Amino acid sequence: SAVISQKPSRDICQRGTSLTIQCQVDSQVTMMFWYRQQPGQSLTLIATANQGSEATYESGFVIDKFPISRPNLTFSTLTVSNMSPEDSSIYLCSAIPRQGGGYTFGSGTRLTVV
Amino acid sequence: GIQVEQSPPDLILQEGANSTLRCNFSDSVNNLQWFHQNPWGQLINLFYIPSGTKQNGRLSATTVATERYSLLYISSSQTTDSGVYFCAGGLITGGGNKLTFGTGTQLKVEL
Repeated sequence: SAVISQKPSRDICQRGTSLTIQCQVDSQVTMMFWYRQQPGQSLTLIATANQGSEATYESGFVIDKFPISRPNLTFSTLTVSNMSPEDSSIYLCSAIPRQGGGYTFGSGTRLTVV
Repeated sequence: GIQVEQSPPDLILQEGANSTLRCNFSDSVNNLQWFHQNPWGQLINLFYIPSGTKQNGRLSATTVATERYSLLYISSSQTTDSGVYFCAGGLITGGGNKLTFGTGTQLKVEL
């Protein structure tokens, strides 16, 4: 199955700043997604990262706050913009292998905003 | 959208015990997966199981798609099984393939 390298693994950021999270997959995948997991909660889908076009955002998430890029089949970034303490969460990217089947997840980025 | 309910929310087992986790869906799904999130936060895909039964070592899963539920069986539990178990479901269509996650079952296996 595909292996996803996600970085940074954790960061502590000042409010009002932005952080860009990167995910690199070791093989071609069909779809990539970004999830948020707030402390003690389940995963919530932020958006589907579309190759070469604008991401598809879920209700409650907007491009100005969470801009996403996916320049090719194996790489995507998520930026958390103008951060506030409420953005403190784990952010995870995931992907579906080209052959289909189960999602693979990156190891997550644990973000703390102070 | 699809609602996913998991039960029980919390579970404490003695090492060696067996357990069954359940996942109910509000609507039909053709994409159903089980994940284990270890205490360090890493999510591991356990099963891709839109229907039928699969086994992998001490773990097995059964999905009854017509009744919109899935079960995860853990046999002879070990302390390394501790963590959160999530099921997730969705519909694979021409335009998408996204998953909705359940609230999870927090499992602790004690010696």
